[in-house]
Amino acid sequence: EIVLTQSPATLSLSPGERATLSCRASQSVGSQLIWYQQKPGQAPRLLIYDASTRATGIPARFSGSGSGTDFTLTIGGLEPEDFATYYCQQRLRWPITFGGGTKVEIK
Amino acid sequence: EVQLLESGGGLVQPGGSLRLSCVDSGFTFSSYVMAWVRQAPGKGLEWVSSITSGGDYTFYPDSVKGRFTVSRDNSQNTLYLQLSSLRAEDTATYYCARRGVGVAFDYWGPGALVTVSS
Repeated sequence: EIVLTQSPATLSLSPGERATLSCRASQSVGSQLIWYQQKPGQAPRLLIYDASTRATGIPARFSGSGSGTDFTLTIGGLEPEDFATYYCQQRLRWPITFGGGTKVEIK
Repeated sequence: EVQLLESGGGLVQPGGSLRLSCVDSGFTFSSYVMAWVRQAPGKGLEWVSSITSGGDYTFYPDSVKGRFTVSRDNSQNTLYLQLSSLRAEDTATYYCARRGVGVAFDYWGPGALVTVSS
């Protein structure tokens, strides 16, 4: 099973600041890495697939990078609606696995 | 507009069974791989099953293999998850999701809460 480790667990930032979230895989997943955003009481929302491709309707301030085992989600200038929990997911091998999440909270 | 809506959640005793349904609309259901993902209260996401577009192949993690069964009725645009031999640790919100663009889960339902408790 491919284990995804997200860091930090919590990120405390102010609106307008840049957020950098990390996802590390226990073995290479190539570029088959996906990012989701989840707000309390809501289902996850697809943000990024194939490590760096934004899903339809996702603002340009969200960007993904990385390949192999190290991946980064960057939010360039936090808007109030961006404070949420973010999860990475790999689709290379069964079982599909998710990281433990990074909560981006208001400082 | 793509919509997925789960139903069938509720309270069940340990060892019991439950069937979840997910009715889908706004897309050609029979063309997509579908999946179930769960989330225990206050915890992260866990994939629990996938089924191919025609229903020929199913996939599960070890944590639910042999206890959960995913199926679909393409004539009714409905996805199912049969949960059996339920344990307290199966308590979670269960989401159905469409595997779409980028082989990612691009649409999700609002979720159905399953509570396993005596």
